[in-house]
Amino acid sequence: DADVTQTPRNRITKTGKRIMLECSQTKGHDRMYWYRQDPGLGLRLIYYSFDVKDINKGEISDGYSVSRQAQAKFSLSLESAIPNQTALYFCATSDVASGNNEQFFGPGTRLTVL
Amino acid sequence: AQTVTQSQPEMSVQEAETVTLSCTYDTSENNYYLFWYKQPPSRQMILVIRQEAYKQQNATENRFSVNFQKAAKSFSLKISDSQLGDTAMYFCAFMKRSGQAGTALIFGKGTTLSVSS
Repeated sequence: DADVTQTPRNRITKTGKRIMLECSQTKGHDRMYWYRQDPGLGLRLIYYSFDVKDINKGEISDGYSVSRQAQAKFSLSLESAIPNQTALYFCATSDVASGNNEQFFGPGTRLTVL
Repeated sequence: AQTVTQSQPEMSVQEAETVTLSCTYDTSENNYYLFWYKQPPSRQMILVIRQEAYKQQNATENRFSVNFQKAAKSFSLKISDSQLGDTAMYFCAFMKRSGQAGTALIFGKGTTLSVSS
């Protein structure tokens, strides 16, 4: 089984709808991240969390919110989706204790907003 | 703020040949990490290689090696003996070091590499 899972893998929705993307990890990592990938722009940071009580905005947090329900779960919400939020969304995790700072990525969620 | 620049949107190489992907970055930090990630058509993000800024020795992982020039803020990736499975988008990424830990990744826009037979 994958260590970092994302649900759904693909989603098509309409403008104005509320959408939640979920991320779960079995790696026991304390840090979790949400990135967005757009063609020609690379990946950009939306939000990150260093532990359950710590949530931080990234470069492009407007229009998004997050919830760290437990160490293993980090959800991204679009309160009112708009077409320019169409993108590939990645969750990632890392472990401070490991010392190598590698981030492990989930398989991604492709979101289309019509 | 840190920025990462990949100046080659697309590159192509023949099997068994060597190719070098370029990356430059801008930062005022002294302690940081640099990474190359690979994204094949499956879209999974896979770590290829990492470099710690305080280490002068260039990192190597089998056919993959880097040329890290700290003063020039350059971090290129060399792929030797290219294979068809190396076809992917490659992202260069920067991570600031905070105490014993890192922070979030800052990515370049990517280079699409095509390996042909």
